[in-house]
Amino acid sequence: AQRVTQPEKLLSVFKGAPVELKCNYSYSGSPELFWYVQYSRQRLQLLLRHISRESIKGFTADLNKGETSFHLKKPFAQEEDSAMYYCALSAQGGSEKLVFGKGTKLTVNP
Amino acid sequence: GAVVSQHPSRVICKSGTSVKIECRSLDFQATTMFWYRQFPKQSLMLMATSNEGSKATYEQGVEKDKFLINHASLTLSTLTVTSAHPEDSSFYICSATGDSSYNEQFFGPGTRLTVL
Repeated sequence: AQRVTQPEKLLSVFKGAPVELKCNYSYSGSPELFWYVQYSRQRLQLLLRHISRESIKGFTADLNKGETSFHLKKPFAQEEDSAMYYCALSAQGGSEKLVFGKGTKLTVNP
Repeated sequence: GAVVSQHPSRVICKSGTSVKIECRSLDFQATTMFWYRQFPKQSLMLMATSNEGSKATYEQGVEKDKFLINHASLTLSTLTVTSAHPEDSSFYICSATGDSSYNEQFFGPGTRLTVL
């Protein structure tokens, strides 16, 4: 069974501080991992996916198959980064169903 | 990116009535659409996957006779909550994917259903 775990419900940092949102997964096959972000009163949107290896809005995430993790990192948090972040897994690319973690609410304080 | 709309954005209905929620892909053809349910302060739970012209595939525990899904065209899928009860009150979100590169899922803004 596919499972995504985000251990932190809430994460609060100060502006300019590094931030790491944790995500661990369990899946027997070769997964595709995603990070989605939901800003206040907005729809869910894709932040990044591991296959593209992009850096979006300063965020990066590396898939660690040994630790089955896909932590999201940003070296210097900004206030506009405050949002709900969801880690998600797909068995076969984004066109297949996504299994979401419970989400982490990030608050960046001034 | 591609745009997905949902209608209505908010609906209040009486217990026992049926409610239809529409999900449209505005600028692309959606070969697959997904319906999720999100309870307050909780994550999204996939309810069903629908492909244009075929029956929806429901997740375990989701009653297909209660949550009717129709994907009649490449731009429209509908979710009908039949004989709604207060426990069906929730936030329903659809997403769509097409033939774009990387098969990204694009999410709608969601529909808030309140059953009195």
